[in-house]
Amino acid sequence: QKEVEQDPGPLSVPEGAIVSLNCTYSNSAFQYFMWYRQYSRKGPELLMYTYSSGNKEDGRFTAQVDKSSKYISLFIRDSQPSDSATYLCAMSRPGGGNKLTFGTGTQLKVEL
Amino acid sequence: GAVVSQHPSRVICKSGTSVKIECRSLDFQATTMFWYRQFPKQSLMLMATSNEGSKATYEQGVEKDKFLINHASLTLSTLTVTSAHPEDSSFYICSARAGDRVDEQFFGPGTRLTVL
Repeated sequence: QKEVEQDPGPLSVPEGAIVSLNCTYSNSAFQYFMWYRQYSRKGPELLMYTYSSGNKEDGRFTAQVDKSSKYISLFIRDSQPSDSATYLCAMSRPGGGNKLTFGTGTQLKVEL
Repeated sequence: GAVVSQHPSRVICKSGTSVKIECRSLDFQATTMFWYRQFPKQSLMLMATSNEGSKATYEQGVEKDKFLINHASLTLSTLTVTSAHPEDSSFYICSARAGDRVDEQFFGPGTRLTVL
């Protein structure tokens, strides 16, 4: 079993839709949770960072962490074609030297 | 700020040759850089942690003699794929730590390696 599971998609939605992206994990030591956006043939770009459980909102993006269920989510409101990319969740644990464990990434396509 | 560059962006080489990839932090000093490999439709897999002035720490299953890492300065780390083979073809991405927090890690644009 992988430490972090993420549906690779692809996920196709119409412009303006609310997008929900999710990851589950098995290692209860993870405390730091991140979402990255990666365009084709580019490096990942940090979108959201959350420490422990709870919600965090930044513009059209909301990150949720439910540590009891080992489940994290990223919501994108009013999705735009420019949001079309691969979204990777990543996690880290205290004392782990800031090493990141990534999900496979979900490919998202927002269509006009 | 916090820009990381990689060079080259793409490289095609013959089997058996060695390839060097550079990772630079352009506007900050990075005592730690990370090297990842990403296969199509798969997650980024950490290969090694590169610390300035000391030996790299390799993840389990990564051959240190095949993937040579040198972190000679606070702004430059290099990954050399020695005697490359077609199965080494992949997308190699580096990241550099700009601070102590886990979210203060910035990624380069990646290098696409194709071994013929």
